[in-house]
Amino acid sequence: GAVVSQHPSRVICKSGTSVKIECRSLDFQATTMFWYRQFPKQSLMLMATSNEGSKATYEQGVEKDKFLINHASLTLSTLTVTSAHPEDSSFYICSARVEDRGASGPYRNQPQHFGDGTRLSIL
Amino acid sequence: TQLLEQSPQFLSIQEGENLTVYCNSSSVFSSLQWYRQEPGEGPVLLVTVVTGGEVKKLKRLTFQFGDARKDSSLHITAAQPGDTGLYLCAGAQKGGANSKLTFGKGITLSVRP
Repeated sequence: GAVVSQHPSRVICKSGTSVKIECRSLDFQATTMFWYRQFPKQSLMLMATSNEGSKATYEQGVEKDKFLINHASLTLSTLTVTSAHPEDSSFYICSARVEDRGASGPYRNQPQHFGDGTRLSIL
Repeated sequence: TQLLEQSPQFLSIQEGENLTVYCNSSSVFSSLQWYRQEPGEGPVLLVTVVTGGEVKKLKRLTFQFGDARKDSSLHITAAQPGDTGLYLCAGAQKGGANSKLTFGKGITLSVRP
């Protein structure tokens, strides 16, 4: 099945550091990639939607200058947490999806496939 | 904002028991997906349901999409310790290129051997 690789799996760094997380679709070209944040024992909160070659669409309350997203190719999106602080510590998960342009309605979008997440700990 | 309520929030059962958990909303979804997530890992897709009233089976797991496409249930027969995990439902309201998934808070299932 579809595989999404996320790297690194864990990061521990000092406050003020910028951290880059990569999300790659390994065996398909992802039309759209999504970045989520998940706090302990809570659900996934969508941060932004990223389409290849265009600017990311951020959800309300998510600072675009804080969480920089680059979707340079159909297989790679990156999330950079700039000047990270302890409150940015969380589990960040990406997902990738391919759009089936030959289909219609709810079948147009294939399911999202998730990476294994990145545990970010800011000291 | 489309809200997905999942219940129960926590469930601890003995191996071999059956269980049903729910995902409810006041909004209509064009599709609904169920994922299972284990600690420290990303969610893994179990099923996508699209048609109102649709029933899908995945081994011992049975998924049903409500007739009005506002709710869904997951039934597990003869639960096993390997079924332990966080079960998330997620709904998509539109089928367009930028349609987003709205996730419920999840159901934490623990199956004791």
